[in-house]
Amino acid sequence: GAGVSQSPRYKVAKRGQDVALRCDPISGHVSLFWYQQALGQGPEFLTYFQNEAQLDKSGLPSDRFFAERPEGSVSTLKIQRTQQEDSAVYLCASSAKIYEQYFGPGTRLTVT
Amino acid sequence: GQQLNQSPQSMFIQEGEDVSMNCTSSSIFNTWLWYKQDPGEGPVLLIALYKAGELTSNGRLTAQFGITRKDSFLNISASIPSDVGIYFCAGQDSNYQLIWGAGTKLII
Repeated sequence: GAGVSQSPRYKVAKRGQDVALRCDPISGHVSLFWYQQALGQGPEFLTYFQNEAQLDKSGLPSDRFFAERPEGSVSTLKIQRTQQEDSAVYLCASSAKIYEQYFGPGTRLTVT
Repeated sequence: GQQLNQSPQSMFIQEGEDVSMNCTSSSIFNTWLWYKQDPGEGPVLLIALYKAGELTSNGRLTAQFGITRKDSFLNISASIPSDVGIYFCAGQDSNYQLIWGAGTKLII
């Protein structure tokens, strides 16, 4: 497909489990962003990649959150030892131009 | 830190009516973006604005980048049922990060 894809679309994890969320950006898009969206809120920035380089991870809420993009294409957001407050929708966006970010459908994470 | 005030928070309108929503900021942005988000989906880019005073249309949508660079509005003309959803404004300064409004929920 032509758009950003994310998997899984839904994930239920027990508290303390590790999870890995995948993002497939639009082919050729250099920039990739991860956001966290709470219910009824706008997305909150987590981290930014330019190709394989993680240029900004200032939005990651704790050291339990880790993101990688080893070959400058697919990216994975990993959350270790999940907590209930990690429950949210995790959105991935990619862009050829920094200012026009195209979003995937998101992964809804529920921690029980 | 930077904040965006988006209003109204929600709107109940009749099909066929025109809709207007706006965002204001305490600081200057270089770019304003308007997104629409349907339930269970990611935000979809509607309009991008790059210059102060710029007025841009996309079908029934029209958006303007305020002269002060601290505000933007989005108009939807002749609303139809598929316009239902949450509309977000987002501003971008010299950084790449987007600052988001809280959203306007459109209900028809």
